[in-house]
Amino acid sequence: GQQVMQIPQYQHVQEGEDFTTYCNSSTTLSNIQWYKQRPGGHPVFLIQLVKSGEVKKQKRLTFQFGEAKKNSSLHITATQTTDVGTYFCAGRGTTDSWGKLQFGAGTQVVVTP
Amino acid sequence: DAGVIQSPRHEVTEMGQEVTLRCKPISGHNSLFWYRQTMMRGLELLIYFNNNVPIDDSGMPEDRFSAKMPNASFSTLKIQPSEPRDSAVYFCASSLARQGRVNEQFFGPGTRLTVL
Repeated sequence: GQQVMQIPQYQHVQEGEDFTTYCNSSTTLSNIQWYKQRPGGHPVFLIQLVKSGEVKKQKRLTFQFGEAKKNSSLHITATQTTDVGTYFCAGRGTTDSWGKLQFGAGTQVVVTP
Repeated sequence: DAGVIQSPRHEVTEMGQEVTLRCKPISGHNSLFWYRQTMMRGLELLIYFNNNVPIDDSGMPEDRFSAKMPNASFSTLKIQPSEPRDSAVYFCASSLARQGRVNEQFFGPGTRLTVL
């Protein structure tokens, strides 16, 4: 079955630095979504990517969907303490039922002031 | 909007007891999802409903788990009998599923379940 892998599992970042988290699927995805979960909180939707090669930006966050629609990345520039949390990618396989998102294990981000 | 409402927020029970988790989706949403989150297994989709009908329950761990959605504004997830390995945070999420549109899911605050 489809598996969604995320790397790295943990990311320690100095405030002001950039970092990237990666998401890889074993199968082609129809779309991919990204969520952020603050410590003790619940996942909050950030963005959805649908098209091959799509790039979307939200302020300091840049999301990409690979050409083969099997991978995605989230790049954060000039990290701030408010970026602390776990970032999840979630993909739907082309043969999955429409609502079936498979979540990656997440990248836990710790920001050092 | 009140967002997705879940109750209880915390539940501590003993092995063998029945546990019922409740969820009220966002008004107007037509899809509801139940997830389980643990350190070991991450965030897992258990079951989801569309227009109150279960669409995919392939993530339900075993017969001890059951979910219902009697109407558009209420769903339950029941574990009977509960076991220590069921300890996790259970999230309910809802969305407005529309063809060709972004179907973002709105998560509730979760229910932290501890089975002793």
